[in-house]
Amino acid sequence: AQSVTQLDSQVPVFEEAPVELRCNYSSSVSVYLFWYVQYPNQGLQLLLKYLSGSTLVKGINGFEAEFNKSQTSFHLRKPSVHISDTAEYFCAVTRTDSWGKLQFGAGTQVVVTP
Amino acid sequence: DAGVIQSPRHEVTEMGQEVTLRCKPISGHNSLFWYRQTMMRGLELLIYFNNNVPIDDSGMPEDRFSAKMPNASFSTLKIQPSEPRDSAVYFCASSFPQGHLNTEAFFGQGTRLTVV
Repeated sequence: AQSVTQLDSQVPVFEEAPVELRCNYSSSVSVYLFWYVQYPNQGLQLLLKYLSGSTLVKGINGFEAEFNKSQTSFHLRKPSVHISDTAEYFCAVTRTDSWGKLQFGAGTQVVVTP
Repeated sequence: DAGVIQSPRHEVTEMGQEVTLRCKPISGHNSLFWYRQTMMRGLELLIYFNNNVPIDDSGMPEDRFSAKMPNASFSTLKIQPSEPRDSAVYFCASSFPQGHLNTEAFFGQGTRLTVV
């Protein structure tokens, strides 16, 4: 089975500062990796995904993430955050041979203050 | 496309009552997922369907939970009888099948269920 660990439950950050959200996974087989964002009282929206190819993936809203197979990590970064980035962020993984069973991390709450 | 549509958005019911949550996936998607989100357990996959057929229901917590997908455009999640510990936000998601270039799960807005 695979698992996902988001190392920070909450990350406070000032507006226009950079932010990094850490995600580590474990799996005995190849996986696909995702980052989702959830705004209050909303569903989840995909920020970016890693399926194959370049290990640096760029997503919406200026976010990017780097897949590091040796470190089994998929950390999310943004060089300059806005107030509107205040939300909860979820890292998720699914096995490449059983698409659909997304395993989510516990989430990281990002709070951006002026 | 309007996205994944779930109804109702909010549901308050009394313990012991039957609850039915509904989902309309994005047209053309043939995979559908039901997730539950709670503070204690986070996001959990309950069941998923491919081409209207349940593939994995190992996440369904108890026999009180059942899900159906009678056609490609509609799915239900039923809880009977409901209990206070079923209170959660239930999400439906849909996607193209594995291998499709646009493989990703699109989520609905969720149904917030409160059982009193």
